[in-house]
Amino acid sequence: RKEVEQDPGPFNVPEGATVAFNCTYSNSASQSFFWYRQDCRKEPKLLMSVYSSGNEDGRFTAQLNRASQYISLLIRDSKLSDSATYLCVVLTGGFKTIFGAGTRLFVKA
Amino acid sequence: DTEVTQTPKHLVMGMTNKKSLKCEQHMGHRAMYWYKQKAKKPPELMFVYSYEKLSINESVPSRFSPECPNSSLLNLHLHALQPEDSALYLCASSQGASPEAFFGQGTRLTVV
Repeated sequence: RKEVEQDPGPFNVPEGATVAFNCTYSNSASQSFFWYRQDCRKEPKLLMSVYSSGNEDGRFTAQLNRASQYISLLIRDSKLSDSATYLCVVLTGGFKTIFGAGTRLFVKA
Repeated sequence: DTEVTQTPKHLVMGMTNKKSLKCEQHMGHRAMYWYKQKAKKPPELMFVYSYEKLSINESVPSRFSPECPNSSLLNLHLHALQPEDSALYLCASSQGASPEAFFGQGTRLTVV
Protein backbone atom coordinates (compact mmCIF):
# COMPACT_ATOMS: atom_id res chain seq x y z
CA ARG A 1 0.00 0.00 0.00
CA LYS A 2 1.33 3.43 -0.92
CA GLU A 3 1.88 5.85 1.94
CA VAL A 4 -0.30 8.50 0.30
CA GLU A 5 -2.96 7.58 -2.23
CA GLN A 6 -5.15 9.85 -4.31
CA ASP A 7 -8.05 9.52 -6.69
CA PRO A 8 -6.38 8.69 -10.01
CA GLY A 9 -8.38 11.10 -12.18
CA PRO A 10 -8.43 12.70 -14.58
CA PHE A 11 -11.51 14.68 -13.67
CA ASN A 12 -13.17 16.43 -16.59
CA VAL A 13 -15.74 18.98 -15.43
CA PRO A 14 -17.57 21.94 -16.96
CA GLU A 15 -17.02 25.47 -15.75
CA GLY A 16 -19.07 26.19 -12.65
CA ALA A 17 -19.08 22.61 -11.45
CA THR A 18 -18.17 21.46 -7.96
CA VAL A 19 -15.47 18.81 -7.79
CA ALA A 20 -14.01 16.90 -4.84
CA PHE A 21 -10.72 15.09 -4.46
CA ASN A 22 -9.84 12.59 -1.76
CA CYS A 23 -6.54 11.41 -0.42
CA THR A 24 -5.74 8.69 2.10
CA TYR A 25 -2.57 8.23 4.12
CA SER A 26 -1.27 5.14 5.88
CA ASN A 27 0.87 6.54 8.71
CA SER A 28 -1.32 7.43 11.65
CA ALA A 29 1.54 9.46 13.12
CA SER A 30 1.45 11.92 10.21
CA GLN A 31 1.53 15.45 11.47
CA SER A 32 0.66 17.94 8.78
CA PHE A 33 -1.29 17.87 5.57
CA PHE A 34 -1.37 20.07 2.50
CA TRP A 35 -2.79 20.44 -0.94
CA TYR A 36 -0.46 21.67 -3.66
CA ARG A 37 -1.27 22.59 -7.21
CA GLN A 38 1.09 21.91 -10.11
CA ASP A 39 0.63 23.28 -13.61
CA CYS A 40 2.21 21.51 -16.56
CA ARG A 41 6.02 21.89 -16.52
CA LYS A 42 5.88 24.20 -13.51
CA GLU A 43 6.81 23.82 -9.87
CA PRO A 44 4.27 22.76 -7.22
CA LYS A 45 2.63 25.66 -5.42
CA LEU A 46 1.02 25.50 -2.01
CA LEU A 47 -2.75 25.74 -2.32
CA MET A 48 -3.67 25.32 1.32
CA SER A 49 -2.85 23.58 4.55
CA VAL A 50 -5.42 21.19 5.95
CA TYR A 51 -6.60 21.32 9.54
CA SER A 52 -8.77 19.01 11.59
CA SER A 53 -11.39 21.70 11.97
CA GLY A 54 -11.58 22.13 8.21
CA ASN A 55 -10.59 25.30 6.44
CA GLU A 56 -11.81 27.35 3.56
CA ASP A 57 -10.12 29.75 1.19
CA GLY A 58 -12.55 31.29 -1.25
CA ARG A 59 -13.86 28.54 -3.52
CA PHE A 60 -11.60 25.92 -1.92
CA THR A 61 -12.44 23.88 1.17
CA ALA A 62 -10.15 21.32 2.76
CA GLN A 63 -11.06 18.73 5.36
CA LEU A 64 -9.05 16.32 7.45
CA ASN A 65 -10.42 13.17 9.05
CA ARG A 66 -7.71 11.73 11.32
CA ALA A 67 -9.81 8.77 12.42
CA SER A 68 -10.26 7.58 8.84
CA GLN A 69 -6.89 8.95 7.71
CA TYR A 70 -8.09 10.88 4.74
CA ILE A 71 -8.10 14.45 3.55
CA SER A 72 -10.28 16.08 0.95
CA LEU A 73 -10.35 19.13 -1.26
CA LEU A 74 -13.55 20.64 -2.58
CA ILE A 75 -13.52 23.17 -5.39
CA ARG A 76 -16.72 25.09 -5.98
CA ASP A 77 -17.64 27.07 -9.11
CA SER A 78 -14.72 25.65 -11.11
CA LYS A 79 -12.85 28.01 -13.39
CA LEU A 80 -10.85 27.22 -16.52
CA SER A 81 -7.78 28.37 -14.59
CA ASP A 82 -8.33 25.61 -12.02
CA SER A 83 -7.13 23.06 -14.58
CA ALA A 84 -3.98 21.55 -13.06
CA THR A 85 -2.70 18.57 -11.12
CA TYR A 86 -3.62 18.61 -7.44
CA LEU A 87 -1.14 16.95 -5.12
CA CYS A 88 -1.91 15.73 -1.64
CA VAL A 89 1.11 16.08 0.64
CA VAL A 90 1.65 14.52 4.05
CA LEU A 91 4.37 15.40 6.52
CA THR A 92 5.53 12.60 8.79
CA GLY A 93 8.36 12.66 11.31
CA GLY A 94 10.21 15.95 11.13
CA PHE A 95 10.60 17.17 7.57
CA LYS A 96 9.79 13.96 5.71
CA THR A 97 7.24 14.96 3.08
CA ILE A 98 5.40 12.47 0.94
CA PHE A 99 3.49 13.44 -2.17
CA GLY A 100 0.53 11.58 -3.52
CA ALA A 101 0.59 10.73 -7.21
CA GLY A 102 -1.66 13.68 -8.01
CA THR A 103 -5.08 14.09 -9.55
CA ARG A 104 -5.44 15.86 -12.86
CA LEU A 105 -8.33 18.25 -13.26
CA PHE A 106 -9.55 19.57 -16.59
CA VAL A 107 -12.16 22.32 -16.48
CA LYS A 108 -13.85 22.90 -19.83
CA ALA A 109 -15.89 25.80 -21.14
CA ASP B 1 7.01 34.95 -8.59
CA THR B 2 8.82 32.25 -6.64
CA GLU B 3 11.18 33.41 -3.91
CA VAL B 4 13.29 30.29 -4.30
CA THR B 5 15.72 30.68 -7.18
CA GLN B 6 17.29 27.74 -8.95
CA THR B 7 20.07 27.79 -11.51
CA PRO B 8 20.48 26.71 -14.18
CA LYS B 9 16.96 26.32 -15.57
CA HIS B 10 18.13 23.67 -18.03
CA LEU B 11 21.21 21.45 -18.02
CA VAL B 12 22.47 18.83 -20.44
CA MET B 13 25.41 16.79 -19.24
CA GLY B 14 27.32 13.73 -20.27
CA MET B 15 27.69 10.71 -18.05
CA THR B 16 31.31 11.57 -17.27
CA ASN B 17 30.68 15.23 -16.45
CA LYS B 18 30.60 16.92 -13.07
CA LYS B 19 28.05 19.68 -12.62
CA SER B 20 26.25 21.46 -9.80
CA LEU B 21 22.72 22.67 -9.31
CA LYS B 22 22.22 25.76 -7.17
CA CYS B 23 19.34 26.96 -5.05
CA GLU B 24 18.98 30.21 -3.14
CA GLN B 25 16.31 31.63 -0.86
CA HIS B 26 16.18 34.85 1.14
CA MET B 27 13.06 34.22 3.17
CA GLY B 28 14.98 33.26 6.30
CA HIS B 29 13.81 29.67 5.99
CA ARG B 30 15.87 27.19 7.96
CA ALA B 31 14.93 24.01 6.10
CA MET B 32 15.85 23.34 2.49
CA TYR B 33 14.97 20.36 0.31
CA TRP B 34 15.94 18.64 -2.91
CA TYR B 35 13.30 16.73 -4.84
CA LYS B 36 13.46 14.74 -8.06
CA GLN B 37 10.42 14.67 -10.35
CA LYS B 38 10.07 12.43 -13.38
CA ALA B 39 7.46 13.14 -16.04
CA LYS B 40 3.87 12.48 -14.93
CA LYS B 41 5.07 11.48 -11.44
CA PRO B 42 4.98 13.37 -8.16
CA PRO B 43 8.10 14.91 -6.62
CA GLU B 44 10.22 12.45 -4.64
CA LEU B 45 12.14 13.70 -1.65
CA MET B 46 15.92 13.30 -1.92
CA PHE B 47 17.52 15.38 0.84
CA VAL B 48 16.54 17.75 3.62
CA TYR B 49 18.80 20.22 5.39
CA SER B 50 17.66 21.71 8.65
CA TYR B 51 19.71 24.52 10.13
CA GLU B 52 22.44 23.75 7.58
CA LYS B 53 22.77 20.13 8.70
CA LEU B 54 21.72 17.14 6.64
CA SER B 55 18.55 15.88 8.26
CA ILE B 56 17.20 13.41 5.71
CA ASN B 57 18.87 11.40 2.95
CA GLU B 58 16.32 9.19 1.24
CA SER B 59 18.89 6.55 0.26
CA VAL B 60 20.00 8.62 -2.71
CA PRO B 61 22.93 7.23 -4.76
CA SER B 62 26.28 8.80 -3.97
CA ARG B 63 26.54 10.26 -7.46
CA PHE B 64 24.26 12.96 -6.00
CA SER B 65 26.02 14.99 -3.31
CA PRO B 66 24.20 17.79 -1.49
CA GLU B 67 25.87 20.73 0.17
CA CYS B 68 24.49 23.57 2.28
CA PRO B 69 27.17 26.30 2.48
CA ASN B 70 24.93 28.63 4.51
CA SER B 71 21.32 29.12 5.49
CA SER B 72 20.40 30.69 2.14
CA LEU B 73 22.15 28.35 -0.26
CA LEU B 74 21.76 24.73 -1.24
CA ASN B 75 23.78 22.92 -3.88
CA LEU B 76 23.44 19.54 -5.48
CA HIS B 77 26.68 18.21 -6.95
CA LEU B 78 26.31 15.72 -9.78
CA HIS B 79 28.90 13.22 -10.93
CA ALA B 80 28.79 10.16 -13.18
CA LEU B 81 25.05 10.34 -13.68
CA GLN B 82 23.02 7.88 -15.71
CA PRO B 83 20.45 8.67 -18.40
CA GLU B 84 17.69 7.54 -16.00
CA ASP B 85 18.69 10.44 -13.72
CA SER B 86 17.20 12.81 -16.28
CA ALA B 87 14.38 14.63 -14.49
CA LEU B 88 13.21 17.93 -13.06
CA TYR B 89 15.15 18.70 -9.88
CA LEU B 90 13.23 20.91 -7.51
CA CYS B 91 14.52 22.85 -4.54
CA ALA B 92 12.20 23.95 -1.77
CA SER B 93 12.45 25.76 1.54
CA SER B 94 10.33 26.13 4.64
CA GLN B 95 10.39 27.73 8.03
CA GLY B 96 11.40 25.21 10.66
CA ALA B 97 8.26 25.72 12.68
CA SER B 98 5.91 25.91 9.69
CA PRO B 99 6.34 23.08 7.28
CA GLU B 100 4.61 24.66 4.29
CA ALA B 101 7.27 24.51 1.61
CA PHE B 102 7.89 26.91 -1.26
CA PHE B 103 9.40 25.54 -4.43
CA GLY B 104 11.81 26.93 -6.96
CA GLN B 105 11.06 26.59 -10.65
CA GLY B 106 13.38 23.63 -10.95
CA THR B 107 16.31 22.58 -13.10
CA ARG B 108 15.42 20.36 -16.02
CA LEU B 109 18.34 17.93 -16.28
CA THR B 110 19.09 15.74 -19.26
CA VAL B 111 21.87 13.16 -19.03
CA VAL B 112 23.20 12.00 -22.37
